[in-house]
Amino acid sequence: DTGVSQDPRHKITKRGQNVTFRCDPISEHNRLYWYRQTLGQGPEFLTYFQNEAQLEKSRLLSDRFSAERPKGSFSTLEIQRTEQGDSAMYLCASSSLGQDYGYTFGSGTRLTVV
Amino acid sequence: SQKIEQNSEALNIQEGKTATLTCNYTNYSPAYLQWYRQDPGRGPVFLLLIRENEKEKRKERLKVTFDTTLKQSLFHITASQPADSATYLCALVSNTGFQKLVFGTGTRLLVSP
Repeated sequence: DTGVSQDPRHKITKRGQNVTFRCDPISEHNRLYWYRQTLGQGPEFLTYFQNEAQLEKSRLLSDRFSAERPKGSFSTLEIQRTEQGDSAMYLCASSSLGQDYGYTFGSGTRLTVV
Repeated sequence: SQKIEQNSEALNIQEGKTATLTCNYTNYSPAYLQWYRQDPGRGPVFLLLIRENEKEKRKERLKVTFDTTLKQSLFHITASQPADSATYLCALVSNTGFQKLVFGTGTRLLVSP
């Protein structure tokens, strides 16, 4: 288990299309987070799972966004009816209950909506 | 409103010097603060965590201080190298809702040979 994996690395889609991203966290980590990052900004929190339960969603996460973590393992983030403003880097991170070691982030999925 | 402020201007220093980056926050009472490094096109990488009852933490060439009275953390890289060039992010645990990290905008560090 080498870290957090995200797929795809890059996605170009036409406005109005649906996209889905996948995140495979570190297997021992029960906490999983999705963040979004635009150029020149820090990552912004989107949603958080503890095991399979989605415990918090940001107000940034409109009705077009949905995230799942079936069986508390991998997670998916779906964006429906994409808009140009959705273009960003989508980052997944995982952590264990002990916060001493911070979050482990994946390399992200770069979404471009044209 | 809650704010985490980092210098948005890039910090340019010469190799071998000490780089000092600042993180100021308002309307937070964080139990701890974290620092991350981010390279272009990559996710952030965790560097150090410092708790509210710790004044200073060190790891190799890195040193972090945390002043809860000033609401400020300083991040130092001693004997800087060109390979240290990256964006450095500070992050606090949110006061509201479940524990999650809230990030500053980051400061870009450029170390010239």
